[in-house]
Amino acid sequence: EADIYQTPRYLVIGTGKKITLECSQTMGHDKMYWYQQDPGMELHLIHYSYGVNSTEKGDLSSESTVSRIRTEHFPLTLESARPSHTSQYLCASSDLTADNEKLFFGSGTQLSVL
Amino acid sequence: GEDVEQSLFLSVREGDSSVINCTYTDSSSTYLYWYKQEPGAGLQLLTYIFSNMDMKQDQRLTVLLNKKDKHLSLRIADTQTGDSAIYFCAESTGGGNKLTFGTGTQLKVEL
Repeated sequence: EADIYQTPRYLVIGTGKKITLECSQTMGHDKMYWYQQDPGMELHLIHYSYGVNSTEKGDLSSESTVSRIRTEHFPLTLESARPSHTSQYLCASSDLTADNEKLFFGSGTQLSVL
Repeated sequence: GEDVEQSLFLSVREGDSSVINCTYTDSSSTYLYWYKQEPGAGLQLLTYIFSNMDMKQDQRLTVLLNKKDKHLSLRIADTQTGDSAIYFCAESTGGGNKLTFGTGTQLKVEL
């Protein structure tokens, strides 16, 4: 079944650790996104990609980085996690050839940095 | 830039209708969307409407669009406890452009 997957579901780590949040989709979508969702519910776009080897910064500045080596995979990396990075991270994908922007979301990764 | 606003919280009784409102500023919006987020989960697309439509109905959901006032609403008929969630409206200009999400409305359904 075509879907979008995020791992881990929950992550608790100490300050200064390097982490990678995984996102994979089996829908054949070209476009992928990372959103950061704060406790106040608002979504902030931090990275997106139009396809392989394409990465763009979103509306909210982020210390994280992303890569897109394969169509189905869009990992997000924090080189040195800090408590200010504590948040829910949501990955999404969409069909670039469609004339609308229907996004399909993963279940999210809840990151807590101590 | 684009701005999409929603009220933060709505509480209704089970069986009543819920109306969640959204205002946006980009007059070139082509598509407008409603997403639902249940606790601890990602967002799920509920429905969307093309900007040349005034209304779209899908079972218990009715979307109304007033393009002149840049106002979008989602009506949920016969609201159930399973409808308790955060609802986000979003708009895009299509053609591979980014979505702009609203601030989200927390819907609480009480018995």
